[in-house]
Amino acid sequence: AQKVTQAQTEISVVEKEDVTLDCVYETRDTTYYLFWYKQPPSGELVFLIRRNSFDEQNEISGRYSWNFQKSTSSFNFTITASQVVDSAVYFCALSETNYGGSQGNLIFGKGTKLSVKP
Amino acid sequence: EPEVTQTPSHQVTQMGQEVILRCVPISNHLYFYWYRQILGQKVEFLVSFYNNEISEKSEIFDDQFSVERPDGSNFTLKIRSTKLEDSAMYFCASSEAEGVMNTEAFFGQGTRLTVV
Repeated sequence: AQKVTQAQTEISVVEKEDVTLDCVYETRDTTYYLFWYKQPPSGELVFLIRRNSFDEQNEISGRYSWNFQKSTSSFNFTITASQVVDSAVYFCALSETNYGGSQGNLIFGKGTKLSVKP
Repeated sequence: EPEVTQTPSHQVTQMGQEVILRCVPISNHLYFYWYRQILGQKVEFLVSFYNNEISEKSEIFDDQFSVERPDGSNFTLKIRSTKLEDSAMYFCASSEAEGVMNTEAFFGQGTRLTVV
């Protein structure tokens, strides 16, 4: 069965600190997608990144970076030099491919609430 | 930039009443989804819809729920007789057509449903 675990319920850091949000997933499929979404206090879900299971290259986008390791079934997210605007709930999600090859439904983790204090 | 739009942003309804939540997916997308998030909890999959029929649904999506694509642009979620526990944020999402790899689901802003 598919499952996404975000063990950190809440993290609090001071501005400019680096912070890593952990995500561990379970799936029996060999082809799957991993995602991170940000949910600011306003409530919407903001897409951050998608990774397919064949691409283990780490990715950096500005202050954000992602570390995908199939060996440990982890897809961790690091924010460098955090800012107050990064305060949000961050969700990791897993999707397996459906019969058509495009993504199936998303299985979300419980989210990690990040608070960045000035 | 194309986006998924949901209306209304907030709906308050009395227990037992029917509600319809509306969504306009991105125009060239063919997969549609409803998710819900009870306050403070994780986002949960309800149903996916493709080619005018449900392709997958979760245990949450019981007989009280239905979805429809009435006119080629809207995608609706109906809850027939609302219960207090249906209070949640409901998200609509859409993704590109079958066979297109490397797509992500784009989410709407959500409709906050409050059942009183």
